[in-house]
This record gives sequence, C-alpha cells and structure tokens, in this order.
Amino acid sequence: KAGVTQTPRYLIKTRGQQVTLSCSPISGHRSVSWYQQTPGQGLQFLFEYFSETQRNKGNFPGRFSGRQFSNSRSEMNVSTLELGDSALYLCASSLIAGVLADTQYFGPGTRLTVL
Amino acid sequence: AQSVAQPEDQVNVAEGNPLTVKCTYSVSGNPYLFWYVQYPNRGLQFLLKYITGDNLVKGSYGFEAEFNKSQTSFHLKKPSALVSDSALYFCAVRDMGGGATNKLIFGTGTLLAVQP
Repeated sequence: KAGVTQTPRYLIKTRGQQVTLSCSPISGHRSVSWYQQTPGQGLQFLFEYFSETQRNKGNFPGRFSGRQFSNSRSEMNVSTLELGDSALYLCASSLIAGVLADTQYFGPGTRLTVL
Repeated sequence: AQSVAQPEDQVNVAEGNPLTVKCTYSVSGNPYLFWYVQYPNRGLQFLLKYITGDNLVKGSYGFEAEFNKSQTSFHLKKPSALVSDSALYFCAVRDMGGGATNKLIFGTGTLLAVQP
C-alpha cells in the first residue's frame, strides 16, 4: 500500500507570495493532519481534517489555512509568506479522527524556503 | 496540559552496545504514547506505540519501549545499536484536551549517533 505522498517536495518562494502544499493520505485513510517543523520551534500542530471538516487548529495565524476534499486529499495554503514560514511541512494520515489508539503515518514533507 | 520531555539533545553509543533514548510525559488520564524516527530530509517513521496493557512494547527495526507509570516515562530501547540507527528520534503523546482529535504533542527530539 502506498504511503502518504506530499507535493511538491521542495519550494522556494519570496516574502509576500502565497503557497499551496498538497497531501494525499494512505488509501482508505480519511483523517489528515498537518505539522510544521522548524529547528527553533520543533514539531507544531497546524490543523486536522476529517470528512472535509476542520476538527482542530493549532496556534498559527490566519495566513495558514487548509482544506480537505471528498477523496480525503488535503491542501494547505500559506498567504503573505514571511521569512519565519521557512520550514518542513509534514502531513500525516490516519484511518479516522478521534480514535486515541490510531496511528498517524507521515509523509516525506515539503521543504519550504522563503527568501 | 499534556506535554512530553526528551531530556537529552544527543545520545552517543558505540555500535553493538545497548541504547536508550529517554522520554517523560505529563498527561491527565491514561497516556497514549508514540515513538517516531526521522532520517535526514525525510518525514517521520512510526516505530511503536503504547496504548494499554503490557508495559514493554515491541516495535519496528528491533526497537522496544518501556512504559513506567510511576515514573511517567516511556524510554525507547534497543539491545544492540547499529550505525544505521543514527537519526533523530521523537517521543509524542496524544492530546487529550480537545475532544476527539488526532493531534500529537511532540518532544524536542533526541539525536542518536551510533559510532562504528
């Protein structure tokens, strides 16, 4: 079974631009979560989607948004990019939402560099 | 609030020796604990999880973890380290404070360096 896929793997943008990242979960998985990884802040939760609904959101500004499609694929968008948005963005999928024992499987990430 | 702590930024061990990567947690209620590994320029790979039951959990690649409720710890162990085990290891706990959520709270990570 194919794992979580994320596209693109690498992105270079300039300040003020916007960016869209894509995530395809493992087949049959319906829940997708996004995390930001930086050397200074570590791994931080961005948001979580299930059945096309955002179920939880981390402490990030409104410039960060996401959505989920009917096929469970998810996108996240960052508008008005800042230098501090440079990070590895990780997507994780799991079968459903809210099952405490469920395992999240991560994709390879998208490395975003903001110049 | 839930949290996990990884007290060591780096652990050095010689190949063939046993390794331990430490993790302590703070949760209200029963914890759901996870270990992930990250190789350079890669995502996180799931190693193992503790949900309930046996305090010794076996996972992928020969790793195991010992859950200790009295010490609120969940240390990752391997009897014999390999050079290929060198990577960044993360301990995580399921967030229990927001209802039905998949959110994981991660520790700061421990860099494991295995010398040949």
